[in-house]
Amino acid sequence: GENVEQHPSTLSVQEGDSAVIKCTYSDSASNYFPWYKQELGKGPQLIIDIRSNVGEKKDQRIAVTLNKTAKHFSLHITETQPEDSAVYFCAATPQTGANNLFFGTGTRLTVIP
Amino acid sequence: GAGVSQSPSNKVTEKGKDVELRCDPISGHTALYWYRQRLGQGLEFLIYFQGNSAPDKSGLPSDRFSAERTGESVSTLTIQRTQQEDSAVYLCASSLGPTQFFGPGTRLTVL
Repeated sequence: GENVEQHPSTLSVQEGDSAVIKCTYSDSASNYFPWYKQELGKGPQLIIDIRSNVGEKKDQRIAVTLNKTAKHFSLHITETQPEDSAVYFCAATPQTGANNLFFGTGTRLTVIP
Repeated sequence: GAGVSQSPSNKVTEKGKDVELRCDPISGHTALYWYRQRLGQGLEFLIYFQGNSAPDKSGLPSDRFSAERTGESVSTLTIQRTQQEDSAVYLCASSLGPTQFFGPGTRLTVL
């Protein structure tokens, strides 16, 4: 089955700096890669996703890049703000439609004011 | 529109008691998932329902854990004879496509 690895496990940045979180996956058939943000005491919330027919997707300060050859994808947050502090999870799935997602182990991002 | 809801939000129980956790998915979502999240840990897949197909129970950690779903609506996760190691947040998600939408979770504490 799919195996998703995520690095780093913790990340601290100064407010205004950029943050990058990286994930690798094992199943070359994976074609959908969402990123979730989990704030303290809440369930994970989808912040951005990308499909395998696209190499990059951007939404304001958040961008995701995908390298299918290397089987890795990354989350980029620019101009970080204290409210970006949370745990971020990447995920991958090799099938279309509703299906089980395979999650990374999470990255705790702290933005220092 | 309404998101995924879960109840109760918090549950404290004594070791050995049974507990039931409820999940109300987004209306129309055919798939429903249960996850366990221990403190400071990632998401541990438990079980997955898709329409009328047999559920994928491959993530259930022991036979003390079971789940049911009525059609494409509410689901109940039952933990029998709870143990202290069952203490965690139990998250439910639903989906129509590959994107899962999560509820706020139920924090279970077993004393």
